[in-house]
Amino acid sequence: KAGVTQTPRYLIKTRGQQVTLSCSPISGHRSVSWYQQTPGQGLQFLFEYFSETQRNKGNFPGRFSGRQFSNSRSEMNVSTLELGDSALYLCASSLDPGLADTQYFGPGTRLTVL
Amino acid sequence: QQQVKQSPQSLIVQKGGISIINCAYENTAFDYFPWYQQFPGKGPALLIAIRPDVSEKKEGRFTISFNKSAKQFSLHIMDSQPGDSATYFCAPSLRSGGSYIPTFGRGTSLIVHP
Repeated sequence: KAGVTQTPRYLIKTRGQQVTLSCSPISGHRSVSWYQQTPGQGLQFLFEYFSETQRNKGNFPGRFSGRQFSNSRSEMNVSTLELGDSALYLCASSLDPGLADTQYFGPGTRLTVL
Repeated sequence: QQQVKQSPQSLIVQKGGISIINCAYENTAFDYFPWYQQFPGKGPALLIAIRPDVSEKKEGRFTISFNKSAKQFSLHIMDSQPGDSATYFCAPSLRSGGSYIPTFGRGTSLIVHP
């Protein structure tokens, strides 16, 4: 069974640009969550989607947004990039939001903002 | 206010030794207590988790001890191996809208010398 896939793996952008990251969950998994990992702030929850609906959102500005498609694939978008947005963005999928033990992380997208 | 405090920040043990990592939390509403393992270049992977109605859970060489009154839980790695060298995160989680939303500790870098 294929794991969680994230594309692209590496990305370089400049301040003020926007970026879209993609996540393909494990087959059959319907819940997708996004996280930001930085040396300064550690691992932080961004948002979670289930059945194309955002169910929970972390404490991030509105520049961070996401969506989920009918096939459970998800995208996150960051607009007006800032230097502090440089981070590893991780996607995780689970069978069901209530089944935390079934959550698996992807390898992440490394975003560098210059 | 730091909700989750993980210690130590780094840990060096000899092969065959016991590794102990601690996690203290503030929010008594947390009701799922996982530990994640992350290797360089990879996303975190769920290692072991415990529910608050259980004081200890063992899976192979890995044990979680949970002390609800003290608001802390710990990870014990018995017979530590060089392959266990990784960063470990505690992530006590809150139930929200049917999902589990984690708050991650800052991580513990474990090195096991052969």
